[in-house]
Amino acid sequence: KQEVTQIPAALSVPEGENLVLNCSFTDSAIYNLQWFRQDPGKGLTSLLLIQSSQREQTSGRLNASLDKSSGRSTLYIAASQPGDSATYLCAVHLSNSNSGYALNFGKGTSLLVTP
Amino acid sequence: DAGVIQSPRHEVTEMGQEVTLRCKPISGHNSLFWYRQTMMRGLELLIYFNNNVPIDDSGMPEDRFSAKMPNASFSTLKIQPSEPRDSAVYFCASTMTIDNEQFFGPGTRLTVL
Repeated sequence: KQEVTQIPAALSVPEGENLVLNCSFTDSAIYNLQWFRQDPGKGLTSLLLIQSSQREQTSGRLNASLDKSSGRSTLYIAASQPGDSATYLCAVHLSNSNSGYALNFGKGTSLLVTP
Repeated sequence: DAGVIQSPRHEVTEMGQEVTLRCKPISGHNSLFWYRQTMMRGLELLIYFNNNVPIDDSGMPEDRFSAKMPNASFSTLKIQPSEPRDSAVYFCASTMTIDNEQFFGPGTRLTVL
């Protein structure tokens, strides 16, 4: 079973700092990787989707990278703002057809950006 | 588009009662997923449908759980009988094709007393 680990579990930074969230996975045979944001009591909002053939995706102040061979992805947030405070989840889609469809989630990094 | 719609948003019930959660996927999306989120286990995939057909229900915890998708715009997740350990937030998600970006609903917070 694909194991997805996110480090750190929690992070607190002052406003304006650039930060990196980490995601690692044990099976490199992935189809794609998706980063989500979850606000307290809310559903998940998709931030970025990286296909296995890609190395990075950018959206505004967010940049996600993917290194399949090492089983790692990072989410870079530039010039953090208090509104970025949320839990960020990494989810990996396996490409092994024997597993059927499987989107495995990490447990998330809880981010607090202080004014 | 209104996004994925789930109802009810909150459900409080007593042990042994039947619970039905509802989901309306985004129009035009062909795949639908049911997840459960708890503090201990995080997000877990329960079951998914492709073109209204259940593909993999191996994540369904017990026979007390069942899911249906009678048409492309509606799905239900039923728990009968419910137990306190079923308390969690249940999410529905949909995607245009099974390997595309997933879009989540707001979730149903279930509390079984």
